[in-house]
Parts: sequence; C-alpha cells; structure tokens
Amino acid sequence: NAGVMQNPRHLVRRRGQEARLRCSPMKGHSHVYWYRQLPEEGLKFMVYLQKENIIDESGMPKERFSAEFPKEGPSILRIQQVVRGDSAAYFCASSTLSDVSYNEQFFGPGTRLTVL
Amino acid sequence: GENVEQHPSTLSVQEGDSAVIKCTYSDSASNYFPWYKQELGKRPQLIIDIRSNVGEKKDQRIAVTLNKTAKHFSLHITETQPEDSAVYFCAATDSNTGGFKTIFGAGTRLFVKA
Repeated sequence: NAGVMQNPRHLVRRRGQEARLRCSPMKGHSHVYWYRQLPEEGLKFMVYLQKENIIDESGMPKERFSAEFPKEGPSILRIQQVVRGDSAAYFCASSTLSDVSYNEQFFGPGTRLTVL
Repeated sequence: GENVEQHPSTLSVQEGDSAVIKCTYSDSASNYFPWYKQELGKRPQLIIDIRSNVGEKKDQRIAVTLNKTAKHFSLHITETQPEDSAVYFCAATDSNTGGFKTIFGAGTRLFVKA
C-alpha cells in the first residue's frame, strides 16, 4: 500500500505564474488536508477536503489560492499569480473515516515551492 | 480562533536525559491530540497520540499526558538518543462537529548531544 504521494517534489515558478500541486491520498482514504510550512516554522492548516467537497477552508488565503478533490484523480492545490511570499513547503495529508472520532493523518513528502 | 501554544521552541539535552515538551490548546472541544516528529527535510510522522477520554499513554520511551481541565498536554521522552533529534509538533483536533481540522503547535527543535 503506497503512502501519500505528492508531486512535484520541487517546483520553481516566477512571480505571476501559476503553481499546481498534486496529492494522491493513501488507498482507501477519503479525506485530504493541505498544510503550508515556512522555513523554521510549524504547519499551518489551509484546507480540508473530502471527495468533491471542501469541508473547511478557513486557513486558505481568500485570493489566488484554491483546492479541489475530484471524484477521480488527485487533490489539487492551485496558486495563481504566485508571489515570493508563497515560497514554502506544502504538505498534504490523508486520513480515513473508519473511526469518526479520531483521525490519524498520514503525510506526504511535501512539495517545495520556490518563487523567483 | 483555535490556537495551540507549544514550549519550548528549542530544547537541548544530553544523551540519556529526559526531554519534556508542553502544549496548551484553546478549543475546549478538542478531543484528539497527536504528536508528530519531523526530521530535517522529511515529512512529519506520527509518534504517539492521545484521546480526550484518556489521561496518559505510554509507548516504550515516549509518553504523553493530557489534562483536559487545564487544556494542557505534554510529551515525555526518556533515555534520549541522538536519533531523537528532530522537530516535534503537538496538535489538537476537534472532530465533534463532523470536521477534522487539526491545529498544530509551532514546533520544538530537540537536540540530543552525544
């Protein structure tokens, strides 16, 4: 059973370009979470999704950022018109719903975004 | 909004000594408290967790305690080893409302000196 997959692992963009980050959850997991980690800092919650639904996006910036988790395919975190401040590691995690009370989140390897 | 405070931000111990990391949370509805270890350049990995109906949990050299009244929880590592050196994150989750939003602490960088 493969773990959480993220690609690309490293992404370089120039200011104003778009960044697309992909996350494939573990097999059987129906929940995906996206976090942003700045250098030397903690994990900041961005968004929590189930298949075809955004459950909680309270951590997402109101502009330029969007996320989806379609019925088929990976979850996508999209950043439009990137700025230098978007440079960070973006981690996704997934969990199952087998126990509605508690959810261990399994993390992917992260995508390190650098904006030039 | 929800908040998780974590202390200390940096901790340096001698090999064999114990290390204690403390966290407090603001959302009284939080009912699940995982701890993650992140080595340099790698993904966070769960090392232990505790649920709100339990006061203490132990797994070999690692233990976690929870005080729901005070909204405190702590990680204890005994007989530390150099390979314990990493950043440790506490987190709090409220799953009662049907969501699983997890708030992380800022992390503690642990150095274990040989």
